[in-house]
Amino acid sequence: DTGVSQNPRHKITKRGQNVTFRCDPISEHNRLYWYRQTLGQGPEFLTYFQNEAQLEKSRLLSDRFSAERPKGSFSTLEIQRTEQGDSAMYLCASSLQGLTDTQYFGPGTRLTVL
Amino acid sequence: AQTVTQSQPEMSVQEAETVTLSCTYDTSESDYYLFWYKQPPSRQMILVIRQEAYKQQNATENRFSVNFQKAAKSFSLKISDSQLGDAAMYFCAYRTYSGGGADGLTFGKGTHLIIQP
Repeated sequence: DTGVSQNPRHKITKRGQNVTFRCDPISEHNRLYWYRQTLGQGPEFLTYFQNEAQLEKSRLLSDRFSAERPKGSFSTLEIQRTEQGDSAMYLCASSLQGLTDTQYFGPGTRLTVL
Repeated sequence: AQTVTQSQPEMSVQEAETVTLSCTYDTSESDYYLFWYKQPPSRQMILVIRQEAYKQQNATENRFSVNFQKAAKSFSLKISDSQLGDAAMYFCAYRTYSGGGADGLTFGKGTHLIIQP
């Protein structure tokens, strides 16, 4: 399977802990996106990368959120000092730069903050 | 900022019948893309259909077609011959066309589609 993969699929943590999620995009895709989806809502865009460069990060929810894509392949999303309000599904998507730039989504990481 | 509105939280249709899901959006841009994504329970988001705003012809993909009304800023999805596997959350999404540059999608809140056997 060469789709977008995300790990872990589920994460339970205690309030105040740091968590890190990983996303592996489709191999030839140079763009990578992170979204957050809360219950009953559509996904909310957080940030995206083109190759190694993070071209949009103003939508990150607070300075506790950060993302990296060090070699232009996989990406990590870190949340520091988690809060109960951070509980959500975190989705990753990737696309190939081009005219339509269609985004393909991974299965998501479900975060529960106790 | 762009907004996407899906006014139907839930729709129900009999198997083999046709159903239309509504979506409206607000934008000041003239070039953009619109999408319908499907999210089955506990499964990942799947692209159903895509429409480029500069194309007048409505997109179709097998049993799925759209009615794109640019002036009215409306983008509805029609599913013909509904099948049990069509049951899912359906999200309408918007993306700007910024000279081919990337940008995040703006999603609506979704419509939960139920297929009655």
